[in-house]
Amino acid sequence: GAVVSQHPSWVICKSGTSVKIECRSLDFQATTMFWYRQFPKQSLMLMATSNEGSKATYEQGVEKDKFLINHASLTLSTLTVTSAHPEDSSFYICSARINLNTEAFFGQGTRLTVV
Amino acid sequence: RKEVEQDPGPFNVPEGATVAFNCTYSNSASQSFFWYRQDCRKEPKLLMSVYSSGNEDGRFTAQLNRASQYISLLIRDSKLSDSATYLCVVNYDDYKLSFGAGTTVTVRA
Repeated sequence: GAVVSQHPSWVICKSGTSVKIECRSLDFQATTMFWYRQFPKQSLMLMATSNEGSKATYEQGVEKDKFLINHASLTLSTLTVTSAHPEDSSFYICSARINLNTEAFFGQGTRLTVV
Repeated sequence: RKEVEQDPGPFNVPEGATVAFNCTYSNSASQSFFWYRQDCRKEPKLLMSVYSSGNEDGRFTAQLNRASQYISLLIRDSKLSDSATYLCVVNYDDYKLSFGAGTTVTVRA
């Protein structure tokens, strides 16, 4: 099946620094990718939809200036958590779909811990 | 009201048992439905898509009831390796997916 690769799988950073997470579709082109956040024992919450060649679409309550998304190519989307704080510590997962009616393929997720 | 609601469980069952659980969704226009499996600290992985007529994949059976807006998952002959959190996933707004919080299943020896 299609593969989505996410890097890094975990990161620990100091409060106030920025962290970049990469999401790549390895064997298909993804004009649209999705970024989720998951807190312990909670469901995946969609943060934003990343669109190749245009601005990302953010869900209500997600700060676009804090969570910068860049979708520079058909196979790569990046999420940068700027000025990270301990409350940003979470599991961040990206996904992509071959087309909008098929299942989503997920990256391995990035466990971010801000200390 | 949450778009997708699941019984969080946990369902603790012995090996070989049958376990079943449901998920309800609020958007009657939803067209695509999936069950995903998520192991602790891992990404979700597709277990099976859910079709209108119901479908089976080995020991797993999924059903869709559009009138009552719920989908179900049944696991027969449970294995230890079936222990996981099962996520109900529903399409909404044309292309977005909405996730339930998951149903935890623990199969004991």
